[in-house]
Amino acid sequence: GQSLEQPSEVTAVEGAIVQINCTYQTSGFYGLSWYQQHDGGAPTFLSYNALDGLEETGRFSSFLSRSDSYGYLLLQELQMKDSASYFCAVIEVGDDKIIFGKGTRLHILP
Amino acid sequence: KAGVTQTPRYLIKTRGQQVTLSCSPISGHRSVSWYQQTPGQGLQFLFEYFSETQRNKGNFPGRFSGRQFSNSRSEMNVSTLELGDSALYLCASSETGGVNTGELFFGEGSRLTVL
Repeated sequence: GQSLEQPSEVTAVEGAIVQINCTYQTSGFYGLSWYQQHDGGAPTFLSYNALDGLEETGRFSSFLSRSDSYGYLLLQELQMKDSASYFCAVIEVGDDKIIFGKGTRLHILP
Repeated sequence: KAGVTQTPRYLIKTRGQQVTLSCSPISGHRSVSWYQQTPGQGLQFLFEYFSETQRNKGNFPGRFSGRQFSNSRSEMNVSTLELGDSALYLCASSETGGVNTGELFFGEGSRLTVL
């Protein structure tokens, strides 16, 4: 089965850069996704890494290293609206289930 | 395109009762997945339906069940409710289950409180 580990909370300052890590133990997966969820809202898709390397979408970037069983989400030029929970997720090979980590709560200070 | 719609948004039940939650996926999406979200536990996978067939199931007791209709709408049912079933139940849809794009589209969820 799958196991994904993320820090439970991260704090950063408005305008700064923050990295949210995700490590995983898995026998095989198709790729690593990231989702954002504001309080009271639905999770929304941010990015997907099927291959190793960096994917950039505006202020957000995501990285995957299969050899290190590691990925991260990088948020640049932090804004107060980025205060939310961020979840990494993997898609298991075989049964194609999408399994989520427990999430990282990002606090942004003015 | 309309998004994923879940009903009801909020509900309160007592222990021992049963509850049915509904999910209407985005038009054209044939895969519907259900997740339970509780504080500190993230999103825990319940089951996934694709073209009316349960394709995957998580590690939840048999009290949790679901089904999908020919129009891709899905329902999940929890019988003999326990206090620990209090949670936000999220439904997510995709065209094929998210394997190709890693992307699921979530509804706002149904918040269940068991007293």
